[in-house]
Amino acid sequence: LAKTTQPISMDSYEGQEVNITCSHNNIATNDYITWYQQFPSQGPRFIIQGYKTKVTNEVASLFIPADRKSSTLSLPRVSLSDTAVYYCLVGEDSSASKIIFGSGTRLSIRP
Amino acid sequence: NAGVMQNPRHLVRRRGQEARLRCSPMKGHSHVYWYRQLPEEGLKFMVYLQKENIIDESGMPKERFSAEFPKEGPSILRIQQVVRGDSAAYFCASSPEGRASYEQYFGPGTRLTVT
Repeated sequence: LAKTTQPISMDSYEGQEVNITCSHNNIATNDYITWYQQFPSQGPRFIIQGYKTKVTNEVASLFIPADRKSSTLSLPRVSLSDTAVYYCLVGEDSSASKIIFGSGTRLSIRP
Repeated sequence: NAGVMQNPRHLVRRRGQEARLRCSPMKGHSHVYWYRQLPEEGLKFMVYLQKENIIDESGMPKERFSAEFPKEGPSILRIQQVVRGDSAAYFCASSPEGRASYEQYFGPGTRLTVT
């Protein structure tokens, strides 16, 4: 499993776009990049997963450069309810396996 | 399709008692994972099970903790002779056979308090 590095915390304001970058210099060829969101007192929630270039869904976008050594989770027009911890995970996706959660990025959104 | 269900949501036990935590995976999911989250810390993997099999228990403490996922019924995480350090939120997750392993669906958790 590749090690990931992401900021411990970030602050932003309602209506802004928030970009959280994750570094994974040792990513392997078969590894995917996955992001989870965890609200206080709740279980983590799968947000988005990608392998290369750009992936977009109704919640977020994931940008992955050609070298795949980093990735950026982009949350458009955040609201107070986006306040949560965001986890970046990297690993092979060929079969079910455990998730190694890091410390995540604690995102705080202010009015 | 109901999500992952865990019960009880809150459990209080005195030191030395047993705690049993239950997890019903999403319909059609055959993989179950247990994680523990201590206060103000990240989630730590404990055990990964398929029906009637423990696949990976590398995160389980060697003593007092056990897990099962029987052919019928929910998965059970059992903690014997609980101590105060066992106080934590225990999350269960599930994923379907043959689907993306990192796309796991988490339950609401069981908050265990040991007094």
